[in-house]
Amino acid sequence: AQKITQTQPGMFVQEKEAVTLDCTYDTSDPSYGLFWYKQPSSGEMIFLIYQGSYDQQNATEGRYSLNFQKARKSANLVISASQLGDSAMYFCAMRESWTGNQFYFGTGTSLTVIP
Amino acid sequence: EAGVAQSPRYKIIEKRQSVAFWCNPISGHATLYWYQQILGQGPKLLIQFQNNGVVDDSQLPKDRFSAERLKGVDSTLKIQPAKLEDSAVYLCASGIGTLAKNIQYFGAGTRLSVL
Repeated sequence: AQKITQTQPGMFVQEKEAVTLDCTYDTSDPSYGLFWYKQPSSGEMIFLIYQGSYDQQNATEGRYSLNFQKARKSANLVISASQLGDSAMYFCAMRESWTGNQFYFGTGTSLTVIP
Repeated sequence: EAGVAQSPRYKIIEKRQSVAFWCNPISGHATLYWYQQILGQGPKLLIQFQNNGVVDDSQLPKDRFSAERLKGVDSTLKIQPAKLEDSAVYLCASGIGTLAKNIQYFGAGTRLSVL
């Protein structure tokens, strides 16, 4: 089974609108961390936001927020007030703390912001 | 603060040749990662170091890939001999924080083409 599933290969959003990028994960480890990274066309991965499995509140970092639904094993990224510079690939990732410290990335979602 | 440095940026070799990639992490970062990113896919973790010890190398094809981290700072990843399917971008990242919440900072990557 895939550890991280991103079902949206491509998304479009109008500038200044909000957009949600989906991510579901699969783990039996009680302790894990969830991460979102942005990869512009230049290729460098940029860290956006982190959510720990024991965190009670949803993580927020500026225009990024993480909609964490533990029972559904879902960790969707919400980008508010989209900007042209948000056009990039977005990757969801997970680290399991107890089962070997492996780090898994999803296949990514390509986001295009339309002016 | 200087970011993660990788060299070379591009490398073209023929199959069965050897190649080496170099990574200099952000100063003070104890954790270092090597990833393989095949076109259209998410990064796949090959090996991670904590200082100069290996934390996980379960996904490293050890018959042809090797990696070392010199004195807990710089790292090299070697492929010997290369195969066509090794064509990919090789990303290095260094991390800060506990392993569970290790925020990774990525270099620009080395794009390898095996002909």
